[in-house]
Amino acid sequence: AQSVTQLDSQVPVFEEAPVELRCNYSSSVSVYLFWYVQYPNQGLQLLLKYLSGSTLVKGINGFEAEFNKSQTSFHLRKPSVHISDTAEYFCAVSDGNTPLVFGKGTRLSVIA
Amino acid sequence: KAGVTQTPRYLIKTRGQQVTLSCSPISGHRSVSWYQQTPGQGLQFLFEYFSETQRNKGNFPGRFSGRQFSNSRSEMNVSTLELGDSALYLCASSLTPDRHSGANVLTFGAGSRLTVL
Repeated sequence: AQSVTQLDSQVPVFEEAPVELRCNYSSSVSVYLFWYVQYPNQGLQLLLKYLSGSTLVKGINGFEAEFNKSQTSFHLRKPSVHISDTAEYFCAVSDGNTPLVFGKGTRLSVIA
Repeated sequence: KAGVTQTPRYLIKTRGQQVTLSCSPISGHRSVSWYQQTPGQGLQFLFEYFSETQRNKGNFPGRFSGRQFSNSRSEMNVSTLELGDSALYLCASSLTPDRHSGANVLTFGAGSRLTVL
């Protein structure tokens, strides 16, 4: 079965500083990887996805992630965060045929 | 294009009661998935429906059930509510269950927040 580990439950960062949210997944023949963001009292919104091709994936709101097969990682990065990026971020994996499995989330707090 | 609509958004029930939650997917989407979100367990998969058939079921007791109608709308039911059922229940839709396609990502609704007293 697929599994996802988000290594940090909370990440505080100052405004305009860079941030990296870490995600590791269990290995499978095929993996499809996703990052979602959840703002307070809302559902999940897709930030970006890796299905195949280039290992560097760009998403919305200036976020990007790099798929690293040898390290089974899919870390999310942003070079300069804003207050509005304060939210919970979820990494998810599927083998293409099974439901998405989510990590437990990382709460990003941007400090002014 | 309207998004995924979940009703009700908030509800309070007491132990032993039952609850029905509704999900209307994006027009044209035929696959609906349900997740339970709690602070301790995170997001846990409940069910997945496609063309009125349950394709997958998560590791939840039989008190949790669901169905999908011919118009792709879905409902989930929880009977004999327990305190631990308090959670945000999220519905997501996609064109089909196939995760290989970039056009087929899950789009989530805002959720139904259930509080069991």
